[in-house]
Order: sequence, then structure tokens, then C-alpha cells
Amino acid sequence: NAGVTQTPKFRILKIGQSMTLQCAQDMNHNYMYWYRQDPGMGLKLIYYSVGAGITDKGEVPNGYNVSRSTTEDFPLRLELAAPSQTSVYFCASSFRQGGDNYGYTFGSGTRLTVV
Amino acid sequence: GDSVTQMEGPVTLSEEAFLTINCTYTATGYPSLFWYVQYPGEGLQLLLKATKADDKGSNKGFEATYRKETTSFHLEKGSVQVSDSAVYFCALKGGSYIPTFGRGTSLIVHP
Repeated sequence: NAGVTQTPKFRILKIGQSMTLQCAQDMNHNYMYWYRQDPGMGLKLIYYSVGAGITDKGEVPNGYNVSRSTTEDFPLRLELAAPSQTSVYFCASSFRQGGDNYGYTFGSGTRLTVV
Repeated sequence: GDSVTQMEGPVTLSEEAFLTINCTYTATGYPSLFWYVQYPGEGLQLLLKATKADDKGSNKGFEATYRKETTSFHLEKGSVQVSDSAVYFCALKGGSYIPTFGRGTSLIVHP
């Protein structure tokens, strides 16, 4: 029962490089989310998906892209990394609409530094 | 739109002290309310929830009551432990797909 698995846990990128943050869940959740958390700040939603093949922008989508080809996987792509993207990234999933009764299951995060 | 306001941290307490972390919200309709906890180096974990007015959520000695008249969902614990040191997030789920999180309150418990 793995829950939400994120890889890698840590990564250092140079400015202008690209990378993909992986997220997989094994709970058959239909809703998946990507958040970023900056020091001392709350969570900001980057993108979300309500099911395979369907994605939508959140509060801070610029500089990121996502895809959802399967129910299980929801990778986040960073193109042309910038120092402003230095953050901790969390993937989350939920069952049905926004997880009314079950809450959200979060991964353990990816700490990204862009230098 | 929906919003959640939490008290500023850090909250610093001695072991066995009483804890209150205030949370108020603004939302249309009847949102579900949640408290999440984030231990150092980890993701957020659901701590407790309440889905309608006057419901009390509880878990691991923590409690919070959904007060619609004061639009509040304050987190309380009668006797904190060092292991409770973490960041606590209040959140609501209204009519959209997306939950709204507060900015988090850091709790530091000293032996």
C-alpha cells in the first residue's frame, strides 16, 4: 500500500535545464494535484487533473506542464528552469470530487533547487 | 472566493501544555473542514476533519469543532508532546474541485 510516490526526493538543476517530477498513486484516485511550497508559505496549486486525459491550471502554472495519460501517473514537467522555481513540490491525490470525506493523500515531496 | 486564515506562528509551548491553533474561514455554502499536519521532511497528512456544522473531528488527542456561527475550526490538544512539533494546516473544501489551505502554523514543543 504505497499511497502517493514521488521521485526524485532531491534535485539540483542549473538555470535553463529541464526535468520531470514523477508522481504515481496506487489507490485508484481520480483526482490528482501538484502543489509547490515555499519557505514559510502555504501551498500553491500548480496544476490538477480530474481524470486520465484531463488537466487544468491552478494558481501558479507558468513554467510548468503536466500530462495524465493514466489514472496512476501525473508527471510535472519543468521547462527552462529558473531560480524562482526553487521550492518543495508535493503531489496529492483524492477520491471523487475533491475528497470530501476522505481528505487528500500527499506524497513526501521533491526538494528542487535551481542554481 | 474561499479563504482560510490561520494564526501566525511559531507557537512555542512546553511539554504537557494546552494547545490552541486558531483557524477561521470564508466560504459560500457548507464546506468540509480539515486539519493537516506536516512533520519535518514529510508531506502533509490528514489529521482530522468535519463535514457539517457542530461536528467535532478528533484524532491522536487533537480536536476541532466546526462552528458555522463564528466560521471557525480551531485545533486544540489538552497536553502536547515533543513529538507533536510540526506545521499544522487548516483547509476547507467548498464547491470546487480544489481545497483551500491556510498558510500553516508551526508548533514547537520543548521538553
